[in-house]
Amino acid sequence: DSGVTQTPKHLITATGQRVTLRCSPRSGDLSVYWYQQSLDQGLQFLIQYYNGEERAKGNILERFSAQQFPDLHSELNLSSLELGDSALYFCASSVGPRTEAFFGQGTRLTVV
Amino acid sequence: AQSVTQLGSHVSVSEGALVLLRCNYSSSVPPYLFWYVQYPNQGLQLLLKYTSAATLVKGINGFEAEFKKSETSFHLTKPSAHMSDAAEYFCAVTTPSGSARQLTFGSGTQLTVLP
Repeated sequence: DSGVTQTPKHLITATGQRVTLRCSPRSGDLSVYWYQQSLDQGLQFLIQYYNGEERAKGNILERFSAQQFPDLHSELNLSSLELGDSALYFCASSVGPRTEAFFGQGTRLTVV
Repeated sequence: AQSVTQLGSHVSVSEGALVLLRCNYSSSVPPYLFWYVQYPNQGLQLLLKYTSAATLVKGINGFEAEFKKSETSFHLTKPSAHMSDAAEYFCAVTTPSGSARQLTFGSGTQLTVLP
């Protein structure tokens, strides 16, 4: 158990819908990262937050957004979902930028 | 910009044989390098990391990796494979600049251990 909690574990939704994925980082970790893992794109970095502020942005679609709350948990919002958004979404956390990231179990999103 | 290339998307070894998973990186500045393992329906677990200290890094489960700057490589090895090592392995690179930390992953290597 990495200490990073992601909910829900599985999510099935229809095209055009909006979903929210939640991540609770390890106690004391200030940085939260979101990654997408799909068969065709592999593991792609989406976005990083550090102590509530956005610090890095990767290949995140405009339909996707994220935020980190004062209690340091984070949410990834995916809207206008398409079939191609079906993937495993991972959250990771770290104490700071010079320490390793610990990954959650992921949320498997299926868009039908 | 940074990138990682993992040579061989599938590697098969016999139980007890040497495991060698290849990773080459590209980075404009000295990198931090990581190996992660992913078991089926699981998240990513850190095996080991290189953060500019010793070039030979020992990790969990008997794995180790050597950072070779001249070859821009960070290959993962284990002297004797166990059945439990069957999983997908990912090499990742990042650069230690400021508070932004983006891991760039390779495409992964699926390790099969044959009895």
